[in-house]
Amino acid sequence: KAGVTQTPRYLIKTRGQQVTLSCSPISGHRSVSWYQQTPGQGLQFLFEYFSETQRNKGNFPGRFSGRQFSNSRSEMNVSTLELGDSALYLCASSLGGLGETQYFGPGTRLLVL
Amino acid sequence: GQQVMQIPQYQHVQEGEDFTTYCNSSTTLSNIQWYKQRPGGHPVFLIQLVKSGEVKKQKRLTFQFGEAKKNSSLHITATQTTDVGTYFCAGGDYKLSFGAGTTVTVRA
Repeated sequence: KAGVTQTPRYLIKTRGQQVTLSCSPISGHRSVSWYQQTPGQGLQFLFEYFSETQRNKGNFPGRFSGRQFSNSRSEMNVSTLELGDSALYLCASSLGGLGETQYFGPGTRLLVL
Repeated sequence: GQQVMQIPQYQHVQEGEDFTTYCNSSTTLSNIQWYKQRPGGHPVFLIQLVKSGEVKKQKRLTFQFGEAKKNSSLHITATQTTDVGTYFCAGGDYKLSFGAGTTVTVRA
């Protein structure tokens, strides 16, 4: 099976812009989760989608949003970018949810200038 | 809310030595997962522990889940350069909480 894929792999944006990141889970996986990884804060949970519904949410502002499509692919959107949003954004898929093995994608490295 | 604490944050190990990294939760966990992230890579699943007091081994890696299901440990024997990376523990059913990770460097 192909692994989790994320596009784009690298992105440079300026403050105030918005960005959309994409994640394609492993075939058959219905749960997709998003994480922000920074050197200072580690891996922070953003949200989880399952069958097109947001099932769980972390403690991030409303500028961070996501959605999941019927084929389980997911997108994450960050509006009004801030310098502090610079990070590696990882998505992970699993069969049924957060209590199961998470398969991570390679991540999208976002730099906000 | 649930927090998972991991110590130490950094571990510098002489090749061939053993070391242990610890994971502690403020609440009882239904299960705990361990991941390894190589430099420049993404987290890769290592193992999941579910039962109280469970011990699992993967070659030189030994994982343990505490009796109260609030702590876990990863012990690596005879460290090799291939063990370099950051080891994360994670727990939670509805909001997977990751520890800050233990970053391991190896002196040859």
